[in-house]
Amino acid sequence: QKEVEQDPGPLSVPEGAIVSLNCTYSNSAFQYFMWYRQYSRKGPELLMYTYSSGNKEDGRFTAQVDKSSKYISLFIRDSQPSDSATYLCAIITGNQFYFGTGTSLTVIP
Amino acid sequence: NAGVTQTPKFQVLKTGQSMTLQCAQDMNHEYMSWYRQDPGMGLRLIHYSVGAGITDQGEVPNGYNVSRSTTEDFPLRLLSAAPSQTSVYFCASRGGGGWTEAFFGQGTRLTVV
Repeated sequence: QKEVEQDPGPLSVPEGAIVSLNCTYSNSAFQYFMWYRQYSRKGPELLMYTYSSGNKEDGRFTAQVDKSSKYISLFIRDSQPSDSATYLCAIITGNQFYFGTGTSLTVIP
Repeated sequence: NAGVTQTPKFQVLKTGQSMTLQCAQDMNHEYMSWYRQDPGMGLRLIHYSVGAGITDQGEVPNGYNVSRSTTEDFPLRLLSAAPSQTSVYFCASRGGGGWTEAFFGQGTRLTVV
């Protein structure tokens, strides 16, 4: 079993839709939960991070962690064409850094 | 991406050839690492370094060598390239504040024929 599982998609939504991206993980010792955004032919860039159960908001983005279910989500409100990218969840404990496979998102104008 | 520079951006190698992927950062970060990204596999850690003179293996180290003689540079060497090493390679560094201060390079697209 992989440490982190992520639905690869692809997802295609109309502009203005709410997007939900999800990952599950297996190790309850994981400490940090992060979301990276990766545009085509670019390196990943950190979007949001959290280390506790609950919600964390940043503008149109909300990161949600449910440690009891080992489930993390990223919600994007009022999605824009500029949000079209691959979103990677990443989970960290110590120096171990586990990435999901990424979900490809396309927002159609 | 700010501060982490990878060269070259693209490379085609023949099986058995050797090459070095360069990574440099100007943020005085102690921790640097190399990942490969393959379709359906996500990013997998190859090697990492916690400071000059210190390196360690990650998840998929076979076929790759690294060294860290300076804080700024962390080159990745392929001694005898194989088609299975066709991938996109990313270098990352992070500061003392942890992974919330991690930066990735733009990537090197390597094809081994």
